[in-house]
Amino acid sequence: EVQLVESGGGLVQPGRSLRLSCAASGFTFDGYAMHWVRQAPGKGLEWVSGISWNSGTITYADSVKGRFTISRDNAKNSLYLQMNSLRGEDTAFYYCAKGRSTVQAAAFNYWGQGTLVTVSS
Amino acid sequence: DIQMTQSPSSLSASVGDRVTITCRASQGISNYLAWYQQKPGKVPKLLIYGASTLQSGVPSRFSGSGSGTDFTLTISSLQPEDVATYYCQKYNSAPLTFGPGTKVDIK
Repeated sequence: EVQLVESGGGLVQPGRSLRLSCAASGFTFDGYAMHWVRQAPGKGLEWVSGISWNSGTITYADSVKGRFTISRDNAKNSLYLQMNSLRGEDTAFYYCAKGRSTVQAAAFNYWGQGTLVTVSS
Repeated sequence: DIQMTQSPSSLSASVGDRVTITCRASQGISNYLAWYQQKPGKVPKLLIYGASTLQSGVPSRFSGSGSGTDFTLTISSLQPEDVATYYCQKYNSAPLTFGPGTKVDIK
């Protein structure tokens, strides 16, 4: 059974940093691209960042480019999102999602339960 | 960047009705289009990828069509458990943009 478990969310002040983790199990982690998607409370889905199977291709939404860094450790079956210079508009549930392919150009067939990040003073 | 729009933004239909949701891309994306269902308080679930391929385990009353810029998600016979918000997503290249969503409920 595929499982994606996010952790690391919480309350953080504007301008500070936070690192999210996603522990994957139930599939060959290094065989698939992975993504972060966020959803502000009561709002729609926003793709944040994606990383190919070997970290060779990394992309970001314009809204987080230069502030967020995605990475993965295939030996640990883990995906990460380092979030710096956090803003109020970054407040959201952050979901880890598995792509259907090694490359990013594929739909997301499994999602974690999400971790809530609240940016507030 | 390519923009994704959906219509309608919400709809109310009776059980058994045929429901159609439209998604439009501002530029052609071939068939790199997915549909997701998000029930209240739940995580999004993949319904359709490649514009028309049904994800394993998804009921056959769901279907997708289209290519290029115009796409459609159809529920052939609406069921109470289909109450949800439906999102389209383009994934041909970054950014992998989602549409704004269509909220479906029962009349």
